Amino acid sequence: AQSVTQLGSHVSVSEGALVLLRCNYSSSVPPYLFWYVQYPNQGLQLLLKYTTGATLVKGINGFEAEFKKSETSFHLTKPSAHMSDAAEYFCAVSDTGGYQKVTFGTGTKLQVIP
Amino acid sequence: DAGVIQSPRHEVTEMGQEVTLRCKPISGHDYLFWYRQTMMRGLELLIYFNNNVPIDDSGMPEDRFSAKMPNASFSTLKIQPSEPRDSAVYFCASSSVNEQYFGPGTRLTVT
Repeated sequence: AQSVTQLGSHVSVSEGALVLLRCNYSSSVPPYLFWYVQYPNQGLQLLLKYTTGATLVKGINGFEAEFKKSETSFHLTKPSAHMSDAAEYFCAVSDTGGYQKVTFGTGTKLQVIP
Repeated sequence: DAGVIQSPRHEVTEMGQEVTLRCKPISGHDYLFWYRQTMMRGLELLIYFNNNVPIDDSGMPEDRFSAKMPNASFSTLKIQPSEPRDSAVYFCASSSVNEQYFGPGTRLTVT
């Protein structure tokens, strides 16, 4: 069975600082990995996804994530945090490549301090 | 496209009552998903459809829950009878091969 573990339920960064949200996965087959963002009182929005190929994946809003098989990690980064990045972020994994059987992590709430 | 549309946005009902949640997916998407989000259990997939056909309902918690998709532009999730532990935010999402979009959710409170 596949799963993801998000380290840190809450992360605080200063505006302009590096954002690093950690995600480790467990999968018995080559995984497909996703990051979603959820703003208050809204549904989830796909930030980026890794299927195969290039291990550095660029997403929307300046976010990117790097797939590291040796570390079973898929951490999300952004060089400079904006106030508008304050939200909850979910890492997710699938073994199908599609969205059909995606397993979500427990989420990390990002606070951006002015 | 207006995105995935869900109604109602908020629902407050008494235990034992029937609740029906509605979803209009994005035109052209061939998958539709129903999720439930709670603080305790996080985000859970309840059921998903492909081309209006239910494919996997293993996440539906009990027989009190049922979902239908009579056509490509409409789906319902029904809870009958509702219980306080059903209180959650229910999301509908639709997808094609290359994209997935979530609706804004329905916040259900069962008293």
